Amino acid sequence: QVQLVQSGAEVKKPGASVKVSCKASGYTFTSYDINWVRQATGQGLEWMGWMNPNSGNTGYAQKFQGRVTMTRNTSISTAYMELSSLRSEDTAVYYCARRDSTVSDYWGQGTLVTVSS
Amino acid sequence: SYVLTQPPSVSVAPGKTARITCGGNNIGSKSVHWYQQKPGQAPVLVIYYDSDRPSGIPERFSGSNSGNTATLTISRVEAGDEADYYCQVWDSSSDVVFGGGTKLTVL
Repeated sequence: QVQLVQSGAEVKKPGASVKVSCKASGYTFTSYDINWVRQATGQGLEWMGWMNPNSGNTGYAQKFQGRVTMTRNTSISTAYMELSSLRSEDTAVYYCARRDSTVSDYWGQGTLVTVSS
Repeated sequence: SYVLTQPPSVSVAPGKTARITCGGNNIGSKSVHWYQQKPGQAPVLVIYYDSDRPSGIPERFSGSNSGNTATLTISRVEAGDEADYYCQVWDSSSDVVFGGGTKLTVL
């Protein structure tokens, strides 16, 4: 069965960077794009960007351009999302999701990133 | 950028029908996907391409899309359907767009 397993919770100081991983199993990792979506406490879903694991091509939401980097390691079927220059407003749960055309059909369990001094 | 508008909350009695709307400019020309999110859990896809149901999703969940409004309909609502529901489309200028979410309360 398709599974996306994310790395554990992180606590970071303002100005630092965080790198979240998303390990895929149950399907061919390079056949589907990966979306990254975040959700602040009590708020809605916010799309951050996508990555094609086969080519490494990426597309980022304008809000995160210059601060987010999405990469992958195909040998271990793992996608990564790195967010830099963290501020308190970046405190949120970050999700990876498999993207089949325009739909996110399978989601990771989420990773809580807390930004606090 | 493309905007999707959902009502913040919808309430329904058990056994009745809940309808959650998602408004957008000419949304009927786009494919709409719906996600269910229960507290502390990741979103789950419940309807894709307007009206298709993934395997494992009850037939009580259905969707429609026309004009400026897409609708998620949940028939014979159960207590376990209480959750937040999000609509989502793909837009050529914004890529993935989510609605603000609707909290479904089962009375």
